Amino acid sequence: NAGVTQTPKFQVLKTGQSMTLQCAQDMNHNSMYWYRQDPGMGLRLIYYSASEGTTDKGEVPNGYNVSRLNKREFSLRLESAAPSQTSVYFCASSEARLGGYTFGSGTRLTVV
Amino acid sequence: AQRVTQPEKLLSVFKGAPVELKCNYSYSGSPELFWYVQYSRQRLQLLLRHISRESIKGFTADLNKGETSFHLKKPFAQEEDSAMYYCALKRPGAGSYQLTFGKGTKLSVIP
Repeated sequence: NAGVTQTPKFQVLKTGQSMTLQCAQDMNHNSMYWYRQDPGMGLRLIYYSASEGTTDKGEVPNGYNVSRLNKREFSLRLESAAPSQTSVYFCASSEARLGGYTFGSGTRLTVV
Repeated sequence: AQRVTQPEKLLSVFKGAPVELKCNYSYSGSPELFWYVQYSRQRLQLLLRHISRESIKGFTADLNKGETSFHLKKPFAQEEDSAMYYCALKRPGAGSYQLTFGKGTKLSVIP
């Protein structure tokens, strides 16, 4: 039972490059989320998807796009990476009725 | 606006000493609060939620609506408790909900 799986685990990008972070969950959860974690800032919500076919902006959406490909998968895209996007990115999923998130293991992204 | 405040960035205690990690919140509705723990370079894990009133790994937390607090406590700290701890507030939304996280407190248990 994998839970929430994120790929890749590590990535180094040059400024201006693009990439997509992948996230998949096998718990049949309706809602999925992308957070970034920065020292001294805690976790901040980038985008979320309440259910398949819907996406909404969170607290810090600028510079990112998302796709809810199906119920299992929710990807995060950086179209033109900037050094300010150096961070650890966490995907999570939840079932609204039960509460609580299940997190992936994170993607450590460095933009140089 | 919803806000979660964890006033301590770092808390150091000796093994066997009591631990209290502070969390205060601001929320106009009926709050639902959680504590998450992140061990070194691992994923965040749910530690406990206030509605279940459970005790996990010896930790407990009581919601105090008068003081708008949800402090995490443990009577005797263990070295394996060293980790980052995040308090989170649930915000309901249409068909979903979001968690607002505090900035976290790093607990260091000194042997």
